[in-house]
Amino acid sequence: AQKVTQAQTEISVVEKEDVTLDCVYETRDTTYYLFWYKQPPSGELVFLIRRNSFDEQNEISGRYSWNFQKSTSSFNFTITASQVVDSAVYFCALNAGGTSYGKLTFGQGTILTVHP
Amino acid sequence: EAQVTQNPRYLITVTGKKLTVTCSQNMNHEYMSWYRQDPGLGLRQIYYSMNVEVTDKGDVPEGYKVSRKEKRNFPLILESPSPNQTSLYFCASSLDGGSRNEQFFGPGTRLTVL
Repeated sequence: AQKVTQAQTEISVVEKEDVTLDCVYETRDTTYYLFWYKQPPSGELVFLIRRNSFDEQNEISGRYSWNFQKSTSSFNFTITASQVVDSAVYFCALNAGGTSYGKLTFGQGTILTVHP
Repeated sequence: EAQVTQNPRYLITVTGKKLTVTCSQNMNHEYMSWYRQDPGLGLRQIYYSMNVEVTDKGDVPEGYKVSRKEKRNFPLILESPSPNQTSLYFCASSLDGGSRNEQFFGPGTRLTVL
């Protein structure tokens, strides 16, 4: 069975602070993909990144960066110099195939609030 | 434009009144699925479909039905809605369900059952 845990239910920061959102996953599959989605107050799900299990290179996209560590089964997301527009719910998700073919297993979500 | 559409976007109904939430994609995707989102629980899969006439249960199928008569459409049916089905619902599609494939989500349907 697959499992994704986002231990931080809510995070509150002041604009320009850096913030890291934690994600820990469990799977027995050796091939899997990890995702991050953003859900702004408007409610839609915005795809941020996909990372496969064989690629442990960190990724940077503007103010966003992701740290994938297979040894600790973690896929953490850092926002540098946070902005009010970053306020949203962020979901980490796992797609591991096998008997869970096609299914995304989501974490509980982390509510990020960035104050001006 | 490649997209997944859902209708209605918002719905308030009463217990026991049958309803259908439609989902349509224009990307010729084989795999489609429904998720519900609840606070503190993230998104959980309700049903999925690997192709036309092929559907199966996800993690929380009780109280829901689906059908896949055409490749582009995957409606979610609540035959007798109850208040515990009040939730935010998302339809998603991907090329073939393979873990490498990005899943495209619809805009969501916010359902309230009184």
